[in-house]
Amino acid sequence: DAGVTQSPTHLIKTRGQQVTLRCSPKSGHDTVSWYQQALGQGPQFIFQYYEEEERQRGNFPDRFSGHQFPNYSSELNVNALLLGDSALYLCASSMGQSSTDTQYFGPGTRLTVL
Amino acid sequence: AQSVTQLGSHVSVSEGALVLLRCNYSSSVPPYLFWYVQYPNQGLQLLLKYTTGATLVKGINGFEAEFKKSETSFHLTKPSAHMSDAAEYFCAVSPGGSYIPTFGRGTSLIVHP
Repeated sequence: DAGVTQSPTHLIKTRGQQVTLRCSPKSGHDTVSWYQQALGQGPQFIFQYYEEEERQRGNFPDRFSGHQFPNYSSELNVNALLLGDSALYLCASSMGQSSTDTQYFGPGTRLTVL
Repeated sequence: AQSVTQLGSHVSVSEGALVLLRCNYSSSVPPYLFWYVQYPNQGLQLLLKYTTGATLVKGINGFEAEFKKSETSFHLTKPSAHMSDAAEYFCAVSPGGSYIPTFGRGTSLIVHP
């Protein structure tokens, strides 16, 4: 059983560009959450998708947007990239939206903005 | 608003010694508390979680944590460290009923032979 997969593994962009990151959840999971992990920091919650809608959002600007597809996979889009957007972006999936539902994390996408 | 403080960005122990990683939280409502481990170049893996009920929680790989409301703490322990325990450990809090979790900055566990 494949766990959570993310693509690409690494990505290099320049300031002002746009980027799309992809996530496939663990089999049977219907909820996807995205996190940003800056170097030396803990993950910060960006948003959560369930039934193809954004259900909860952390303190991130509108430059960060997402999408969930009918097969539960998800994309994270970041527009107008800033140097400060350089981070590891983690996707996590779960069966349900509750705080008690165990989240399974993917290995992440390392984004470098030059 | 909730917050998490992990005391010590690095903790160094000898193989076989007790592991103690400290976590203090603040939450305006009864919290759900989590410990995650992150190995290099990997995502986070849940070690254990506290939601309600028994305050001593046992997790995977021999780890356990105790929820102490009076001390607002949720420290992670393991009686005997293994070399394979070397990793980054994150404590997280999620206010009961609200999904959005807040993570601490992490503690790097170093295990010496």
